[in-house]
Amino acid sequence: AQKITQTQPGMFVQEKEAVTLDCTYDTSDPSYGLFWYKQPSSGEMIFLIYQGSYDQQNATEGRYSLNFQKARKSANLVISASQLGDSAMYFCAMSVTGNQFYFGTGTSLTVIP
Amino acid sequence: DSGVTQTPKHLITATGQRVTLRCSPRSGDLSVYWYQQSLDQGLQFLIQYYNGEERAKGNILERFSAQQFPDLHSELNLSSLELGDSALYFCASSANPGQGFYNEQFFGPGTRLTVL
Repeated sequence: AQKITQTQPGMFVQEKEAVTLDCTYDTSDPSYGLFWYKQPSSGEMIFLIYQGSYDQQNATEGRYSLNFQKARKSANLVISASQLGDSAMYFCAMSVTGNQFYFGTGTSLTVIP
Repeated sequence: DSGVTQTPKHLITATGQRVTLRCSPRSGDLSVYWYQQSLDQGLQFLIQYYNGEERAKGNILERFSAQQFPDLHSELNLSSLELGDSALYFCASSANPGQGFYNEQFFGPGTRLTVL
């Protein structure tokens, strides 16, 4: 069975600091993709970053990077230089077949001025 | 703007009623996914269609059904509505599944359903 776990219901970070949002996953399939989405208070789901299970390097997209530790089955999201606009819910997700996606319960991030 | 459209944006109805939520995927995307997001259940995958055919099924109740039409738009039908069905319903689309697991989903703005 596939499962995504986000153990931090809420996180706080000072503006301009870096923050790490945790995500662990469980799958027996050797091929999978890991995704992070952001959901601001307005409700839309915004794709942030992707990591493939065979990718050798950690994915980066601007201020977002994914700390992929395959042996530990973790895919933590690192946001550098936090901005007030980063305050939102963040969801980790996994796709094994390219069809069904499995989402974690989310982490609420609050950036403090 | 993700390119995925959902209508209506808000829907208020009574228990026992039936509603239809509509989704138009991004141009060229063949796959449509439906999700339910409620406060206590998080984001739950309901069902996926690919080019008109059901591809994957998640935690979708028997009172709910969906279909994807030849023009690739999709509808989610919710019947015999209960208070607990109040939630934000998302539609997402992606390019061809099965070509690999990198299959970024683009989400629509959601339909907020309130059952009174």
